[in-house]
Amino acid sequence: QVQLQQSGAELAKPGTSVKLSCKASGYTFTSYYIYWVKQRPGQGLEWIGYIYPGNGGTYYSEKFKGKATFTADTSSSTAYMLLGSLTPEDSAYYFCARRGHNNVFDYWGQGVMVTVSS
Amino acid sequence: DVVMTQTPVSLSVSLGGQVSISCRSSQSLVHNNGNTYLSWYLQKPGQSPQLLIYKVSNRFSGISDRFSGSGSGTDFTLKISRVEPDDLGVYYCGQGTQYPLTFGSGTKLEIK
Repeated sequence: QVQLQQSGAELAKPGTSVKLSCKASGYTFTSYYIYWVKQRPGQGLEWIGYIYPGNGGTYYSEKFKGKATFTADTSSSTAYMLLGSLTPEDSAYYFCARRGHNNVFDYWGQGVMVTVSS
Repeated sequence: DVVMTQTPVSLSVSLGGQVSISCRSSQSLVHNNGNTYLSWYLQKPGQSPQLLIYKVSNRFSGISDRFSGSGSGTDFTLKISRVEPDDLGVYYCGQGTQYPLTFGSGTKLEIK
């Protein structure tokens, strides 16, 4: 079965970076896009962008250009998101999700909480 | 960006009842290929969202036929019939027609 397993919670200081991971299993990693989504506590869903592990192609929502950087390691079927220059506004849950055949988020990781605090 | 507007913000329903959630987009969600990429998701408390409906009216694998989607263009509806306790949570519509992908602000379903 399709699974996306995300790394554990992060506590980071302002101005630093965190690298989140999303390990995929149960399907061909290089054949599906991985989306990343931000959700501040009690708030809605915000799409950050995607990476296509098949060729490393990426796309960033305008708001997250310069904030997020996506990479993927096909040997371990793991996608990564680097969040840089952290501020308290980056404190949120971050989800990875697989893009299904109908432009949907068909399988989601469990999410990871990032807390930015001095 | 396509703005997705969901109503109501919250609703309360008795077990066994029926509810409807509305989602309107600021632009038509008909893609150049003729498909309409409007989806519905449920986020249960403390969990990640799960896909319920894709391309307006298609139920995802394993989703009960109590959930149904309808609509076209810019106006869409999710109906939940015979509401069960496990249906509580926040429902989101989302569009996959145009980048950046966007979601509605959510509708919280509570059980009376």
